[in-house]
Amino acid sequence: GDSVTQMEGPVTLSEEAFLTINCTYTATGYPSLFWYVQYPGEGLQLLLKATKADDKGSNKGFEATYRKETTSFHLEKGSVQVSDSAVYFCALSDSSGGSYIPTFGRGTSLIVHP
Amino acid sequence: KAGVTQTPRYLIKTRGQQVTLSCSPISGHRSVSWYQQTPGQGLQFLFEYFSETQRNKGNFPGRFSGRQFSNSRSEMNVSTLELGDSALYLCASSQFGAADNSPLHFGNGTRLTVT
Repeated sequence: GDSVTQMEGPVTLSEEAFLTINCTYTATGYPSLFWYVQYPGEGLQLLLKATKADDKGSNKGFEATYRKETTSFHLEKGSVQVSDSAVYFCALSDSSGGSYIPTFGRGTSLIVHP
Repeated sequence: KAGVTQTPRYLIKTRGQQVTLSCSPISGHRSVSWYQQTPGQGLQFLFEYFSETQRNKGNFPGRFSGRQFSNSRSEMNVSTLELGDSALYLCASSQFGAADNSPLHFGNGTRLTVT
């Protein structure tokens, strides 16, 4: 079945540091890929998405590129802020593969210090 | 546009009781799905409803059930509560659900504590 693997957290960075959170996936079809963010006490919010190979999703300074050859969708940001502290989830949705259940990674906690 | 609304935000129940959680999706969204979030298991899919029909179901016991009304509002019921049911229950809505790979819009969740 489909699966998503994220790097273990927590990731601890100083403000203005460069961020990478790795995400790889396995899917039987041609999935769409997503990054969601969860702030303390809240539900998940869509951060960005990409629907086909080589697409780049971007939002609020975050970027991720759909790499079919490496089955990856790594999240990056050039300069993190304290307000970026949250849990980040990589996810896929693969209706073309016959599965109608979105698959989520375990989440990566990001802590940004001033 | 109003977001996904879940009620109540917090619940404390005793083992053996039952509980009903409510979710109002974004206007126009016909798909509502439910997730259980725990530190140990992460996000686990419970079920999805589309136009009042359960379309997909995760790997949870029959004590977990749900339904969707004609206005797309959904309820989730857990009977005979166990300590392990303590979790954050998240509801998410989308226009057509995973069938068209559309993104999910989540509520803030209901924090259930079973004592």
